[in-house]
Amino acid sequence: GAGVSQSPSNKVTEKGKDVELRCDPISGHTALYWYRQSLGQGLEFLIYFQGNSAPDKSGLPSDRFSAERTGGSVSTLTIQRTQQEDSAVYLCASSLAPRGLNTEAFFGQGTRLTVV
Amino acid sequence: AQKITQTQPGMFVQEKEAVTLDCTYDTSDPSYGLFWYKQPSSGEMIFLIYQGSYDQQNATEGRYSLNFQKARKSANLVISASQLGDSAMYFCAMRVQGGSEKLVFGKGTKLTVNP
Repeated sequence: GAGVSQSPSNKVTEKGKDVELRCDPISGHTALYWYRQSLGQGLEFLIYFQGNSAPDKSGLPSDRFSAERTGGSVSTLTIQRTQQEDSAVYLCASSLAPRGLNTEAFFGQGTRLTVV
Repeated sequence: AQKITQTQPGMFVQEKEAVTLDCTYDTSDPSYGLFWYKQPSSGEMIFLIYQGSYDQQNATEGRYSLNFQKARKSANLVISASQLGDSAMYFCAMRVQGGSEKLVFGKGTKLTVNP
């Protein structure tokens, strides 16, 4: 498809289990972002990948959260030992390399994670 | 560090009237860009408008305009002739030149357009 694709769209998991969320960015986009949006809240920055540069992990809330980006394309966000407070919509976005500040980020539809 | 503040959790406007959504920002970097996104109840994020820190004129895109006051560090979104379809969450965001160039968002404002 032409847009950012995230899977699964919905995920229900038991507390303590590990989950993996997938993001397929737009072809050719070298920048990839993960955000978390709790119910009715803003977008909390988690991690940012740009090309071959070291990712900006400054938003990851704990060491239970990690993300990889293989081959500069698909990214996986992993949450280990999930907690109920991890329940949220996880949004992925991609953009062309931000040579200029005005580079627009395109968002996927998100993965709604529910920890029970 | 960069920070975006949106102080209006919710706003109401009558159809066909104009509304201003507030956004203030904080950064020590002289080069930055400001964005507004719309998020309808369907959850998608829709890019609306962009303003660069060195742009001399306020950005406009159709019914959207950005009231950029650099000295006050504010980048308010003005929506003219509101429509029922404008009801949504609105997020202000910023990217700075230095650092990783990540995009940082505010907490958003929920706009409701009344008929």
